[in-house]
Amino acid sequence: GEEVAQTPKHLVRGEGQKAKLYCAPIKGHSYVFWYQQVLKNEFKFLISFQNENVFDETGMPKERFSAKCLPNSPCSLEIQATKLEDSAVYFCASSQSIRAYTFGSGTRLTVV
Amino acid sequence: DAKTTQPPSMDCAEGRAANLPCNHSTISGNEYVYWYRQIHSQGPQYIIHGLKNNETNEMASLIITEDRKSSTLILPHATLRDTAVYYCIVRPANAGGTSYGKLTFGQGTILTVHP
Repeated sequence: GEEVAQTPKHLVRGEGQKAKLYCAPIKGHSYVFWYQQVLKNEFKFLISFQNENVFDETGMPKERFSAKCLPNSPCSLEIQATKLEDSAVYFCASSQSIRAYTFGSGTRLTVV
Repeated sequence: DAKTTQPPSMDCAEGRAANLPCNHSTISGNEYVYWYRQIHSQGPQYIIHGLKNNETNEMASLIITEDRKSSTLILPHATLRDTAVYYCIVRPANAGGTSYGKLTFGQGTILTVHP
């Protein structure tokens, strides 16, 4: 399809629980990006993939965050032992040629 | 990535042109200017991008100054649905490193279109 599908739309986790977010990029797009939006207007880059290979992971808090893009599966972003400050909207985007990204509608993670 | 400066907010009357400025005085020769917008809490939406020349598509026009230190996004006939946060972003044009592809969002301009 021509949209980036992110699931779930909303996720509530107790502090210390695991959270897993999914992203199905547009078919044929070889680049996938994850961004975190904590406050309105503040986006933080987390990680990017070129196909199943990590391209840039400079934004990832490596202690608790991990991500994968495996062939024939949605990409995933996993947070082990969530903290209150992980509450945010997580956006995934895909791109064919590193020009115009298409963003998904995001997953709102609330850690309570 | 070069830093961009945008006004925090702007107003525009419905049907009029909305002109959103962006300063990027430290832009380098191989960096593009991109514009995205975020309507309410949706994912950012690509609008337009350019390197040196002015660009136009079905959504907007992009005017880049000759020295490339600033640009203006023009929505020719703003509608209420254009109310959004508009982000001006510069990024490398070439795959010279892993930072290629990453978008660095600033604070953006909140555009409010009123009846």
